[in-house]
Amino acid sequence: QSVLTQPPSVSAAPGQMVTISCSGSSSNIEKHYVAWYQQLPGTAPKLLIYEDNKRPSGIPDRFSGSKSGTSATLGITGLQTGDEADYYCGTWDNSLSVVFGGGTKLTVL
Amino acid sequence: QVQLVESGGGVVQPGGSLRLSCAASGFTFSSSGMHWARQAPGKGLEWVALISYDGRIKYYADSVKGRFIIFRDNSKNTLYLQMSSLRPEDTAVYYCAKDHWSYTHYGPLGYWGQGTLVTVSS
Repeated sequence: QSVLTQPPSVSAAPGQMVTISCSGSSSNIEKHYVAWYQQLPGTAPKLLIYEDNKRPSGIPDRFSGSKSGTSATLGITGLQTGDEADYYCGTWDNSLSVVFGGGTKLTVL
Repeated sequence: QVQLVESGGGVVQPGGSLRLSCAASGFTFSSSGMHWARQAPGKGLEWVALISYDGRIKYYADSVKGRFIIFRDNSKNTLYLQMSSLRPEDTAVYYCAKDHWSYTHYGPLGYWGQGTLVTVSS
């Protein structure tokens, strides 16, 4: 059981937009920055979004992040088949730990 | 560029011990908080432990507290995870990761290694 809650899967057609939600609590998301990670099949996770809505260099602006209260959202526009991956939210928790969501599998139909 | 290379994984019997290493290059290791995270086969990510840039602060997930020890050797640019009293549920790919910012250890995890597989089985 993950501390942060994500939908197990989402899907959309190429070129469309999709959002992935991440729900937490007052001890994690509400008080701390949220990050999003992309894990392509068979590879290590990669940082996609940090500090709720900032993109590391090299991450296209098709990827965006937002946060409100105890929830955060990852948005992906102009979906491509290469975006098929598992996406994880993560943040710091007041229990002195890093916490992750259970992951969301994105399928580009 | 940042490189993190894990090693030390393998098959170990329940109750056994194993030490993982993570060789770092391409950044100032002694200024970076570091983490271990793991991923059981077909499952999601689980954070395991962190250590501050100077080794003074260490935090652990409840699932490994008292069994795993994280430590570092800044003179060798290497991070370690000493695992003991291993259980079948510890079977996972173990990743080392660098904190995104220097001199912090709260995340996000900015760079990840490729991982090393630990299998706990009799």
